Amino acid sequence: GDSVTQMEGPVTLSEEAFLTINCTYTATGYPSLFWYVQYPGEGLQLLLKATKADDKGSNKGFEATYRKETTSFHLEKGSVQVSDSAVYFCALIFYNQGGKLIFGQGTELSVKP
Amino acid sequence: NAGVTQTPKFRVLKTGQSMTLLCAQDMNHEYMYWYRQDPGMGLRLIHYSVGEGTTAKGEVPDGYNVSRLKKQNFLLGLESAAPSQTSVYFCASSREADSYEQYFGPGTRLTVT
Repeated sequence: GDSVTQMEGPVTLSEEAFLTINCTYTATGYPSLFWYVQYPGEGLQLLLKATKADDKGSNKGFEATYRKETTSFHLEKGSVQVSDSAVYFCALIFYNQGGKLIFGQGTELSVKP
Repeated sequence: NAGVTQTPKFRVLKTGQSMTLLCAQDMNHEYMYWYRQDPGMGLRLIHYSVGEGTTAKGEVPDGYNVSRLKKQNFLLGLESAAPSQTSVYFCASSREADSYEQYFGPGTRLTVT
């Protein structure tokens, strides 16, 4: 079935370090791909999205490129801040199924000053 | 504009008790969703609704019922709570015109003893 796999956490980085969180997916069709972020004690909020192959989503210094050939959507940021500490979820969506999201298990990021 | 709200924020139940979680959205969204979040498992879809008066099963529907009598509200019921239903529950809503971007509520932490 359709699924999303993320690298396991927690990931601990120093401030200003480079961040990569890997995400790969298995899908029978051509889904759109999302990254959601969950700050401590809050609900999820959309970070960025890409709707077709080779699209690059970007927001708040984060980027991810939809790679159909490798079925991947890795999240990157050039210089993380303490305020980026959160749990990051990769997800895919099928528009013909009521907009259902399939989430990865989440990757916790902790950034130390 | 409150977005998505959930009631209550916290609840402790004894095994066998029943309760209803309320989700309300003021964005006139057609689609609404209930998820549960458990450590290391990401978010899993319980039930969803594609419009007033409609509901459908998600990935983990057993032990839960839902109703969508009004467009702005989506209720999640537990008829006979079990310890396995201890979790954090999130409601979300979306609309087709926004490419189904889902807006999440702040969550309800439920403990079943």
